[in-house]
Amino acid sequence: AQKVTQAQTEISVVEKEDVTLDCVYETRDTTYYLFWYKQPPSGELVFLIRRNSFDEQNEISGRYSWNFQKSTSSFNFTITASQVVDSAVYFCALSEAETGRRALTFGSGTRLQVQP
Amino acid sequence: KAGVTQTPRYLIKTRGQQVTLSCSPISGHRSVSWYQQTPGQGLQFLFEYFSETQRNKGNFPGRFSGRQFSNSRSEMNVSTLELGDSALYLCASSLEQVARDNEQFFGPGTRLTVL
Repeated sequence: AQKVTQAQTEISVVEKEDVTLDCVYETRDTTYYLFWYKQPPSGELVFLIRRNSFDEQNEISGRYSWNFQKSTSSFNFTITASQVVDSAVYFCALSEAETGRRALTFGSGTRLQVQP
Repeated sequence: KAGVTQTPRYLIKTRGQQVTLSCSPISGHRSVSWYQQTPGQGLQFLFEYFSETQRNKGNFPGRFSGRQFSNSRSEMNVSTLELGDSALYLCASSLEQVARDNEQFFGPGTRLTVL
């Protein structure tokens, strides 16, 4: 069975601080996909990144970066120079690929509060 | 391109009633998935429809059902509502079902309150 753990329930930082959101996953599949979504107060889940299990390259997109390490089953997300607009709940998610099923298994989310 | 739309956005029902929620996917998308989000259980997968067929189902009782129409629009129905069904119901659409690289685009959700 798949499982995603986001141990950090809530993080509070001051604007311009860097912050890392942790994600640890469990799966028996050798092929899988990992995702990060942002959920602002409006409720809509906003896609941030997808990474497949064969691509361990770290990725940077503006102030966002992701570190995928299969050896530790982790897919951590770092926001550099955080801004108040980054305040939201962030979800890490996993989907199995071998059966073609699209269902996402989500972590419990990390609420990030960026104080001005 | 218009995003995923869900109607209604807010709904209040009483225990024992039934409810139907609607989701219109992004134009051209053929796969629609539904998720339930509650403070206690978090985000949980309900079911996925592709080409009018349910392809995948989460671990929910039979009171939760859905369907997809030929235009890919989807509805989910919850019968005999319970207090615990109060949640944000999110719909996600994607281009294909089997092309695993396709991301899922989420709608704004329907917030259901059961009194």
